[in-house]
Amino acid sequence: DTGVSQNPRHKITKRGQNVTFRCDPISEHNRLYWYRQTLGQGPEFLTYFQNEAQLEKSRLLSDRFSAERPKGSFSTLEIQRTEQGDSAMYLCASSLTVNSGNTIYFGEGSWLTVV
Amino acid sequence: AQKVTQAQTEISVVEKEDVTLDCVYETRDTTYYLFWYKQPPSGELVFLIRRNSFDEQNEISGRYSWNFQKSTSSFNFTITASQVVDSAVYFCALILNTGGFKTIFGAGTRLFVKA
Repeated sequence: DTGVSQNPRHKITKRGQNVTFRCDPISEHNRLYWYRQTLGQGPEFLTYFQNEAQLEKSRLLSDRFSAERPKGSFSTLEIQRTEQGDSAMYLCASSLTVNSGNTIYFGEGSWLTVV
Repeated sequence: AQKVTQAQTEISVVEKEDVTLDCVYETRDTTYYLFWYKQPPSGELVFLIRRNSFDEQNEISGRYSWNFQKSTSSFNFTITASQVVDSAVYFCALILNTGGFKTIFGAGTRLFVKA
């Protein structure tokens, strides 16, 4: 299967620790997106890349969050000094180009619990 | 302001009933895309349909149908003869084509289909 792959699927960490999530998009997709979803809510946009360039960041992405896509393929999302409010599911998605209406395909998400 | 409203938080039906999930959106953009996604308990967002703002044709795919009406800014989703496997959270999303990438999801409608 060549869908969007995320790992780890689940992460429990102590407050103050750093965590990193990885996303492998569908291979030919040049756009990659990160979203955050909390219980009972829809996904909220965090950031997106076109190839290796990070083109937009939401105000939700505080200084403790950093995302990279060094070679325009996989991406990592790092959260430093985690807080309990960071507990959520982090979704990665990819597409060709949304301007042409191409579909955005999502991974299964990475659940983060900060204790 | 851009916004997606899914007024129905939860819907419960008995198998074989028809059910309609409502979606109302707000945007001043003239070019935009509307999506419906299904989120089963596993967490992955499964793409169901995409519609661009210039295409008001309704669509039917098996037991699923969609009614897009620009006059009322609605993009409603109907499941005919519901099945237990349809139980999930369904999200409506608005993607804009201007000012960089932006995706707005509704809060979702949780559908319970009882046998």
